[in-house]
Amino acid sequence: GENVEQHPSTLSVQEGDSAVIKCTYSDSASNYFPWYKQELGKRPQLIIDIRSNVGEKKDQRIAVTLNKTAKHFSLHITETQPEDSAVYFCAASISGGGFKTIFGAGTRLFVKA
Amino acid sequence: GAGVSQSPRYKVAKRGQDVALRCDPISGHVSLFWYQQALGQGPEFLTYFQNEAQLDKSGLPSDRFFAERPEGSVSTLKIQRTQQEDSAVYLCASSLEGQMNTEAFFGQGTRLTVV
Repeated sequence: GENVEQHPSTLSVQEGDSAVIKCTYSDSASNYFPWYKQELGKRPQLIIDIRSNVGEKKDQRIAVTLNKTAKHFSLHITETQPEDSAVYFCAASISGGGFKTIFGAGTRLFVKA
Repeated sequence: GAGVSQSPRYKVAKRGQDVALRCDPISGHVSLFWYQQALGQGPEFLTYFQNEAQLDKSGLPSDRFFAERPEGSVSTLKIQRTQQEDSAVYLCASSLEGQMNTEAFFGQGTRLTVV
């Protein structure tokens, strides 16, 4: 089955700096890659997603890149703000006859003011 | 309602007790998922429904776990003879499409503590 690995597990940056979180997946059939942000005690919420037919997608300060050949995808947050502090999860979706989303273990991002 | 609703928010069960966790998905959403999230970990897939059909239950950790969605809307996750390792947050998510990969909306979860 699909396996998603995510790193780093913890990331601390200064306000205004960029943060990069990287993930790899194992199943080449995966074609949908969402990123979720989870604040303490709250539900995961989708912040950006990318499908396998594109290599990059950007939404204001957040961008995601996908390398299908290497089975890598990354989240880039620019001009970080304290409110970006949270746990971020990457995920990969296995399609065909219904689907399930496999999550990475998460990255705890601290943005220091 | 506007979002996915789960109840109860918190549940404390004595070891060996049966529990039932409820999920009300967003109205009209075809797909419904249950995930288990241990402290400090990512959500782990348990099971998936498309309407009332349970299409994948490969993530259920044992036969003590059972899920149903009899009318294709509300779903219940039942855990029999709870054990301490069942302590976790149980997340429900729903999405609009059945076959396409689209955004899944999560509920706030049920935090289960087995003592």
